[in-house]
Amino acid sequence: ELKVEQNPLFLSMQEGKNYTIYCNYSTTSDRLYWYRQDPGKSLESLFVLLSNGAVKQEGRLMASLDTKARLSTLHITAAVHDLSATYFCAVERGSNNNDMRFGAGTRLTVKP
Amino acid sequence: SQTIHQWPATLVQPVGSPLSLECTVEGTSNPNLYWYRQAAGRGLQLLFYSVGIGQISSEVPQNLSASRPQDRQFILSSKKLLLSDSGFYLCAWSVGSGRTQYFGPGTRLTVL
Repeated sequence: ELKVEQNPLFLSMQEGKNYTIYCNYSTTSDRLYWYRQDPGKSLESLFVLLSNGAVKQEGRLMASLDTKARLSTLHITAAVHDLSATYFCAVERGSNNNDMRFGAGTRLTVKP
Repeated sequence: SQTIHQWPATLVQPVGSPLSLECTVEGTSNPNLYWYRQAAGRGLQLLFYSVGIGQISSEVPQNLSASRPQDRQFILSSKKLLLSDSGFYLCAWSVGSGRTQYFGPGTRLTVL
């Protein structure tokens, strides 16, 4: 069974600091997704990582994928308050995204 | 552009009452459709997915059911709600397998 683990589950950081969220998964996967969820809202797609070594960046967020280690990271650079949200990684087993498993989410709070 | 709608946005129902949540997608044809549930402070659990009209796959056996009467309509139902059915229900769509899933605004269900 595909298991997806994120850590930390809760992260409180100061504005301007850097930090990394980790997503480990238990079986071989072709694709990994990162989503953002604001409180009480739906999920917004951030990144899709399609191959080993893939790196994508958008603003202060950068995601990477190491399929050999079964690990993805979401790096936050110089955090700002607007980044406060819950971040989910989701892993697709095989090439069929009908079987996608989500991590428990990392609740990020950026304090001024 | 594609849009996804869900209604109602919020719902409070007594235990034992029926349920019907609706999801519709615009701007695309033959999408894959998904129902997820998110318990408070938790990750997402895939409930059902559909690759076409009348085709429903269930991921978790429970007192919920899904139907897809039209290409871009996906309905989540229950004959008798349980307290444990409370949560945030999200509908999502993708174009085929192996593609990013895009989420609707969600329905927050409280069963009392």
